[in-house]
Amino acid sequence: NAGVMQNPRHLVRRRGQEARLRCSPMKGHSHVYWYRQLPEEGLKFMVYLQKENIIDESGMPKERFSAEFPKEGPSILRIQQVVRGDSAAYFCASSRGTEAKNIQYFGAGTRLSVL
Amino acid sequence: GDSVTQMEGPVTLSEEAFLTINCTYTATGYPSLFWYVQYPGEGLQLLLKATKADDKGSNKGFEATYRKETTSFHLEKGSVQVSDSAVYFCALGNTGTASKLTFGTGTRLQVTL
Repeated sequence: NAGVMQNPRHLVRRRGQEARLRCSPMKGHSHVYWYRQLPEEGLKFMVYLQKENIIDESGMPKERFSAEFPKEGPSILRIQQVVRGDSAAYFCASSRGTEAKNIQYFGAGTRLSVL
Repeated sequence: GDSVTQMEGPVTLSEEAFLTINCTYTATGYPSLFWYVQYPGEGLQLLLKATKADDKGSNKGFEATYRKETTSFHLEKGSVQVSDSAVYFCALGNTGTASKLTFGTGTRLQVTL
């Protein structure tokens, strides 16, 4: 049973370009979460999605960031017009549900570097 | 809002030493508590969890007890190994906002021979 798959593992962009980060949840999981980890900091929640729906985007910056989880295919975190402050590790997690007993399983992350 | 406070690292120990990493939390309601471990260049792996007061989570020699009276979830291991070197994150998941985890800043553990 494959785990949470994220790609690319490393992404380099110049200021003003777009970054697209992909996440395929574990088999049987329909809940996806995105977190951002800035250097030397913990993970900060960004957004929670179920298939075709954004459930909680309280941690997403209001501009330039968007996320989707289409009926078919991976979840995508999209950052438009990247700036140096977007450089971070972005982690995706998935779970079967949101009850306390449902554990979030994490991918290996995408490390975004903005030049 | 919810928050998690961990002791700052790095923590450097000799192999076979006793480990304690402190974690305290602030939350409304009845959160679940977790310890995750992150090895270099990898994602987070769940180490252990506790879903209610007085529960003890344990795995791979690590353990932590959910103490509601002190709002704490300290991680302990009796005898660390070099392979335990990693960053350890304490986290809470609140049943009121069960969609997200709130993480501490992480504690880096370095174990030497």
